[in-house]
Amino acid sequence: AQSVTQLGSHVSVSEGALVLLRCNYSSSVPPYLFWYVQYPNQGLQLLLKYTSAATLVKGINGFEAEFKKSETSFHLTKPSAHMSDAAEYFCAVSGLINNDMRFGAGTRLTVKP
Amino acid sequence: KAGVTQTPRYLIKTRGQQVTLSCSPISGHRSVSWYQQTPGQGLQFLFEYFSETQRNKGNFPGRFSGRQFSNSRSEMNVSTLELGDSALYLCASSSSRDYLYEQYFGPGTRLTVT
Repeated sequence: AQSVTQLGSHVSVSEGALVLLRCNYSSSVPPYLFWYVQYPNQGLQLLLKYTSAATLVKGINGFEAEFKKSETSFHLTKPSAHMSDAAEYFCAVSGLINNDMRFGAGTRLTVKP
Repeated sequence: KAGVTQTPRYLIKTRGQQVTLSCSPISGHRSVSWYQQTPGQGLQFLFEYFSETQRNKGNFPGRFSGRQFSNSRSEMNVSTLELGDSALYLCASSSSRDYLYEQYFGPGTRLTVT
């Protein structure tokens, strides 16, 4: 079975600073990995996904993530935070065989002016 | 193209009652998944339907059930409600049975059990 662990339930950065949200996965099969964002009172929106093509994945809103098999990590980064990035971010994993998606506990990102 | 819609958006029920939530996927999408989101347990997978068949089921008691109709609309039912069932229930649709294809989430139904 696959799972993900998000390190840090809350991350606070200043506007313009680097955003780094950490995600480590556990999977006995090659995983599909995802980052989703959730704004208050809304559903989830896909930021990006890794499906075994390029290890560096670019997503929407300037976010990107790098798949590192040796570290079993899929950290989300953005070079310069914007106030509108304040939201909750979820890392998720899905396997090739069973398609139920497992989510991490989420990281709430706060952006200070 | 209209997004995933969920009805109702808010619901208040009493312990012991049952509830039915509805999800209309994006037109053309045949896969519908349901998730429960709570502050304590986070996002948990309930079940997934594809072409009216339940393909996958999470680790929830039998009080939680669902179905999908021929037009891909889906309902989930929770019987004998407990206080712990209070949560945001999210529905997501996909054009394919393969998670390589993006899941589009609805805004959710917030269920409060008193």
